[in-house]
Amino acid sequence: DQQVKQNSPSLSVQEGRISILNCDYTNSMFDYFLWYKKYPAEGPTFLISISSIKDKNEDGRFTVFLNKSAKHLSLHIVPSQPGDSAVYFCAGTIKGGGSYIPTFGRGTSLIVHP
Amino acid sequence: DAGITQSPRHKVTETGTPVTLRCHQTENHRYMYWYRQDPGHGLRLIHYSYGVKDTDKGEVSDGYSVSRSKTEDFLLTLESATSSQTSVYFCANGRNTGELFFGEGSRLTVL
Repeated sequence: DQQVKQNSPSLSVQEGRISILNCDYTNSMFDYFLWYKKYPAEGPTFLISISSIKDKNEDGRFTVFLNKSAKHLSLHIVPSQPGDSAVYFCAGTIKGGGSYIPTFGRGTSLIVHP
Repeated sequence: DAGITQSPRHKVTETGTPVTLRCHQTENHRYMYWYRQDPGHGLRLIHYSYGVKDTDKGEVSDGYSVSRSKTEDFLLTLESATSSQTSVYFCANGRNTGELFFGEGSRLTVL
């Protein structure tokens, strides 16, 4: 059973426009949510996070919104740039064994066209 | 950058052979993780460690074991590799807020 779902395998956007990547979760125990970006042949890199007690977090062109009642979060990239083309993973975390254990979605491949 | 080095970066092996992947961190993060990435499945947790000799299973731990005898090293072992274990393996470390820092990955092919 997938606890974190990214229902859109891919997204195509024009340069300069907004990219919106969506993520749904089922586990209401998640404490923290994160977004990672992954280029081919590289490891994922941390992008932005949000605590479960907040509804928005912004970092430059990237904003994450959390709607706890809908168990939904989204990543907004404005404006989108060709270098943003990558696979984006959403993750929720639960504290266990003294550590947060992230559970990842299957990813959304973003393509930003020049 | 949390200084994660994985070795080997690429390996081809045959079914039934043992394989060990090594993860080395240059910083003394307490938490380390092994994930595998497969098409259509995203990143799935195999095992994680929250200290020396303290490890626990993830969602896809069958067929894998880990060891952490030093803070800086986290080893993933496939006792008898199978074709279903062909994958890209990522090691990560991180803070207790859940922000993980990943290595560049180890691509394993089991023939």
